[in-house]
Amino acid sequence: GEDVEQSLFLSVREGDSSVINCTYTDSSSTYLYWYKQEPGAGLQLLTYIFSNMDMKQDQRLTVLLNKKDKHLSLRIADTQTGDSAIYFCAESSGSSYKLIFGSGTRLLVRP
Amino acid sequence: NAGVTQTPKFQVLKTGQSMTLQCAQDMNHNSMYWYRQDPGMGLRLIYYSASEGTTDKGEVPNGYNVSRLNKREFSLRLESAAPSQTSVYFCASMGENYGYTFGSGTRLTVV
Repeated sequence: GEDVEQSLFLSVREGDSSVINCTYTDSSSTYLYWYKQEPGAGLQLLTYIFSNMDMKQDQRLTVLLNKKDKHLSLRIADTQTGDSAIYFCAESSGSSYKLIFGSGTRLLVRP
Repeated sequence: NAGVTQTPKFQVLKTGQSMTLQCAQDMNHNSMYWYRQDPGMGLRLIYYSASEGTTDKGEVPNGYNVSRLNKREFSLRLESAAPSQTSVYFCASMGENYGYTFGSGTRLTVV
């Protein structure tokens, strides 16, 4: 079945770049997503990439997709303390576009 | 504000009690979803509704029922709550580019 895996934790210094990685198994995924969750809140869509693209840039965010290796990454430039949160990778699956989520990467930004 | 509204935000139930979690969206989306979030496990799909009048099981449907009352509303019912159903429950609807908009969640504790 479909599976999405992420590393559990990443710690960076304020001002550095953060790179969060994700691997997925469903080669038929149409879209891949990155969501952000702050404590006690719901998930907020950060960005997404269509499966026929290999890169997407949106202000401080860069998404890279390696479809051959089924690897997705999210780079956050000039990471700020407000970026501290849990980041979820997700792939769309099937005709009803159910999203399959990874277990989330907790990003801690140190001052 | 437009979006997905969930009620209640918090609930404590005794084992065996029943309750219904409410969800409504005002974005005219066709598809709606219920997920549960447990520590270290990401989000798992309970049920979804691809359109008004249809519902389908997700990854973890046991112990739950759903109703798609109309296009706006999608409710989740626990008939006989169990401690294993202690979790945070998120409702979502699917919009442009197949991204989800999430509600702020219902934190449920079953004692």
